[in-house]
Amino acid sequence: AQRVTQPEKLLSVFKGAPVELKCNYSYSGSPELFWYVQYSRQRLQLLLRHISRESIKGFTADLNKGETSFHLKKPFAQEEDSAMYYCALSGRGGGSNYKLTFGKGTLLTVNP
Amino acid sequence: GAGVSQSPSNKVTEKGKDVELRCDPISGHTALYWYRQSLGQGLEFLIYFQGNSAPDKSGLPSDRFSAERTGGSVSTLTIQRTQQEDSAVYLCASSLDRTPTEQYFGPGTRLTVT
Repeated sequence: AQRVTQPEKLLSVFKGAPVELKCNYSYSGSPELFWYVQYSRQRLQLLLRHISRESIKGFTADLNKGETSFHLKKPFAQEEDSAMYYCALSGRGGGSNYKLTFGKGTLLTVNP
Repeated sequence: GAGVSQSPSNKVTEKGKDVELRCDPISGHTALYWYRQSLGQGLEFLIYFQGNSAPDKSGLPSDRFSAERTGGSVSTLTIQRTQQEDSAVYLCASSLDRTPTEQYFGPGTRLTVT
């Protein structure tokens, strides 16, 4: 079974401070990991995926297979980063590599 | 081009009534997914379509839920005899093929069962 855990429901930081949103996963095969973001009154959208190793809007995430983690980090948070962040997993190859399993989300608030 | 669209955006219904939720995926996307977003539960996978076929219905919570897709495009999620616990935001997503490299989400339908 695949599972995604985001231990923090809420995270509040001040503008300019570093931010880390935690994500741990459980999956028996080789996973693909994603971060999705939902800004207020907007639809859910892909922020980044581990396979592309990109930095989007200053955010990065590294897949740590030993710790089964995919934490999202940004060195200097901005007010416009305030949103709900979801970590998600899918399998690579095999029969269920299409559906995403989401964590329950972390609401990030960046205070001025 | 247009993104994924869903209708209605909001639906209030009485317990016991049937509801239909519609999803228009991005043109050319062969894969379509339904998810449910509930308070405190995050997003749950409901069903996946590849073309008009639904190879995975494992996420449908009960036999009151069904979905179909016609012409490889529009999909309808039907909930019969709605219950209060069905209240949630129902999200539809589509992707170019069956790999979830990037799923594009619609704005959702907020269903409230009174």
